[in-house]
Amino acid sequence: AQSVSQHNHHVILSEAASLELGCNYSYGGTVNLFWYVQYPGQHLQLLLKYFSGDPLVKGIKGFEAEFIKSKFSFNLRKPSVQWSDTAEYFCAVNAWVTGGGNKLTFGTGTQLKVEL
Amino acid sequence: GAGVSQTPSNKVTEKGKYVELRCDPISGHTALYWYRQSLGQGPEFLIYFQGTGAADDSGLPNDRFFAVRPEGSVSTLKIQRTERGDSAVYLCASSAQGAGYGYTFGSGTRLTVV
Repeated sequence: AQSVSQHNHHVILSEAASLELGCNYSYGGTVNLFWYVQYPGQHLQLLLKYFSGDPLVKGIKGFEAEFIKSKFSFNLRKPSVQWSDTAEYFCAVNAWVTGGGNKLTFGTGTQLKVEL
Repeated sequence: GAGVSQTPSNKVTEKGKYVELRCDPISGHTALYWYRQSLGQGPEFLIYFQGTGAADDSGLPNDRFFAVRPEGSVSTLKIQRTERGDSAVYLCASSAQGAGYGYTFGSGTRLTVV
């Protein structure tokens, strides 16, 4: 079964600092990859997704992620964070396997706090 | 509706009681998913419906958990003989195209078993 690892459980940054959140997955076949964000008191929202093609994916609010197949990674980046980016970030994978192609497997999440 | 609606938003119940959690997906979305999120964890898959049928219920932890979607829209997650370990946020999501394209999540039901 596929699994997802997020290496950083808590990250604290100052405004304008650059952000990179790590995500690795375990499945060797075809995958779709996602980052979801959960702002305080709100529901999970899709930040960006990778299906195929250009491995550098751009999402909302200036976020981007790069799919590196050889490293089984899909790290999230933002060049300059804002206080409003304070949230929990979840990486997720949908692996195209028999019986497994219709669910997402999530990582444990990274809590990001941006300080003024 | 405009989004995925879940009711109630909070539910406190006593150990051993029966609870029902409701999910109203986005109109026209044929795929509906239930997830459970415990404190400090990511969402864990419970069950997936395509239309009225449960296409994958491999995530249901035991036979105390059951879900239905009789008319292919609203779904109810039912938990019998609740235990303290069932306390979590239960999330519902729907999709027009399937998991590979991403979901829209509801706000969840926070279940507390005391």
